[in-house]
Amino acid sequence: DGGITQSPKYLFRKEGQNVTLSCEQNLNHDAMYWYRQDPGQGLRLIYYSQIVNDFQKGDIAEGYSVSREKKESFPLTVTSAQKNPTAFYLCASTRQGNSWETQYFGPGTRLLVL
Amino acid sequence: AQKVTQAQTEISVVEKEDVTLDCVYETRDTTYYLFWYKQPPSGELVFLIRRNSFDEQNEISGRYSWNFQKSTSSFNFTITASQVVDSAVYFCALSEPSGGSNYKLTFGKGTLLTVNP
Repeated sequence: DGGITQSPKYLFRKEGQNVTLSCEQNLNHDAMYWYRQDPGQGLRLIYYSQIVNDFQKGDIAEGYSVSREKKESFPLTVTSAQKNPTAFYLCASTRQGNSWETQYFGPGTRLLVL
Repeated sequence: AQKVTQAQTEISVVEKEDVTLDCVYETRDTTYYLFWYKQPPSGELVFLIRRNSFDEQNEISGRYSWNFQKSTSSFNFTITASQVVDSAVYFCALSEPSGGSNYKLTFGKGTLLTVNP
């Protein structure tokens, strides 16, 4: 089955710790995206990548970092600089990153701070 | 300025009632795309529909229908004969060019629909 997987489902972070959220897709999509969702809010774009080895900041990139070494994978690191990391994180992908394409989403990772 | 407004934060209906979720958007582009997604309690966003700015035909898919009106910048979603399984948060989103080959997908804040038995 083609799709997007995210792991872990729940992640706990201690103060000052960096944590990495995994996002993998087997849809052969070029473009991938990371969103943050807070309670009662819509999704806000953190980072996106339209091609391997290239990525761009979204609206709320501060305190986050990404890499795109493989087409299938787009991991997100929440650094200690992100002071309010508790949120639901969603990864998405599109075939080529064009405005008319539908973004398909993974199941999400819920990050909680201890 | 908020580009996608879903004024209804929460709606509660009884099973078999019809319900309409409102979406109003704002854009200066003539070419843009509108989407609706469903987010059940599990959290994953499920794609429901995409509409481009040049196609104002209304669409029906089973119990779901969408009314796109450019004159009022609205893209409303109606569920006919609602069911408990329709309970979810529904998001409206706007895709518009943001420069070069980039584009931006902007989400509304969502409407929580609760369908009671």
